[in-house]
Amino acid sequence: RKEVEQDPGPFNVPEGATVAFNCTYSNSASQSFFWYRQDCRKEPKLLMSVYSSGNEDGRFTAQLNRASQYISLLIRDSKLSDSATYLCVVNLNNNDMRFGAGTRLTVKP
Amino acid sequence: DTAVSQTPKYLVTQMGNDKSIKCEQNLGHDTMYWYKQDSKKFLKIMFSYNNKELIINETVPNRFSPKSPDKAHLNLHINSLELGDSAVYFCASSHLAGELFFGEGSRLTVL
Repeated sequence: RKEVEQDPGPFNVPEGATVAFNCTYSNSASQSFFWYRQDCRKEPKLLMSVYSSGNEDGRFTAQLNRASQYISLLIRDSKLSDSATYLCVVNLNNNDMRFGAGTRLTVKP
Repeated sequence: DTAVSQTPKYLVTQMGNDKSIKCEQNLGHDTMYWYKQDSKKFLKIMFSYNNKELIINETVPNRFSPKSPDKAHLNLHINSLELGDSAVYFCASSHLAGELFFGEGSRLTVL
């Protein structure tokens, strides 16, 4: 089993849609979790950290389920500018920061 | 000021050559990384250094040798380049298991 598994998509959604991504991880001792966004030919940039209690930033909601070992990202009211690749990152142990394969999202007019 | 800077941004070279990519961070972070992103877009960890000490070496060929002269720098030297080494190499840094800050990437093309 891979350390971090993520559905690569692609997800093609209309503007205004709600879309959700999940990511599972193998190490139950994993310490910290993040969602990153990567635009074409650019470096990944932090979208949000994922906290145990769940957290929300505008149209974006991130959740952590330690029992089932997955994190999720929900995007509401999708905009054209949300088109990108979304990457989950898990700190497995001792700064071993592993990426999921990334999920490609395309938001269409 | 660029927080994590890596040079060069583009590198085109012949098979068999040796090349280096440099990385510097001015964030005061204690941990630095090298990631490789190949044509399939998967970001794979190569190395991680904490306070100049190697802590992760993820089954990378010996042709790849990282060097950390101080905790603000992590350079990557590649010997005897092969076609399969063509990729984008990202340097990153973090502090106390926090978020990763990335450089802009170095696109290596081996001909």
